[in-house]
Amino acid sequence: AQKVTQAQTEISVVEKEDVTLDCVYETRDTTYYLFWYKQPPSGELVFLIRRNSFDEQNEISGRYSWNFQKSTSSFNFTITASQVVDSAVYFCALSEANFNKFYFGSGTKLNVKP
Amino acid sequence: GAVVSQHPSWVICKSGTSVKIECRSLDFQATTMFWYRQFPKQSLMLMATSNEGSKATYEQGVEKDKFLINHASLTLSTLTVTSAHPEDSSFYICSATDRLVYGYTFGSGTRLTVV
Repeated sequence: AQKVTQAQTEISVVEKEDVTLDCVYETRDTTYYLFWYKQPPSGELVFLIRRNSFDEQNEISGRYSWNFQKSTSSFNFTITASQVVDSAVYFCALSEANFNKFYFGSGTKLNVKP
Repeated sequence: GAVVSQHPSWVICKSGTSVKIECRSLDFQATTMFWYRQFPKQSLMLMATSNEGSKATYEQGVEKDKFLINHASLTLSTLTVTSAHPEDSSFYICSATDRLVYGYTFGSGTRLTVV
């Protein structure tokens, strides 16, 4: 069965601190996709990244970086030099290769204080 | 890029009435659309999956007669909450995929309040 675990319910940091959001997944599929979404208080889901199971390269996009490790079934997300605007709920998710189903983690609420 | 438009953004309705939420894929043909529900401070829960031209597949525990889903075209799916009650108040969000080029594209969500 597919499952995504975000063990951190809520994290609070002070602006400019680095913060890592953890994501651990379970799947028996060899081909799958992993995602991160940001959900600000307004509610919409903002797409951050999609990674397929065959691409273990880490990715950096500005202050955001992602560490994908199949050996530990983890897809962690790091925000460098956090800003107040980063405050939101962040969801990690897993989908089957044919986009048939999408499994969300429980989300991590990030509070960045000035 | 792929865009999914969801309307209305928010709606307030009286208990016992029905409300319809629309989800449109604007620049791609959505083979499959998904409807999610999110309670405050919780994750998104999949309610149902709909493929164009066929009946929706509901997740366990979701009442088919209460949450009517229609996916009549490749660009439009609707969710109708029938005989709404206060406990139906929630955030509803749709997503669409063509299963080829575009992965999942989410709508902006609808906040439903039943009074």
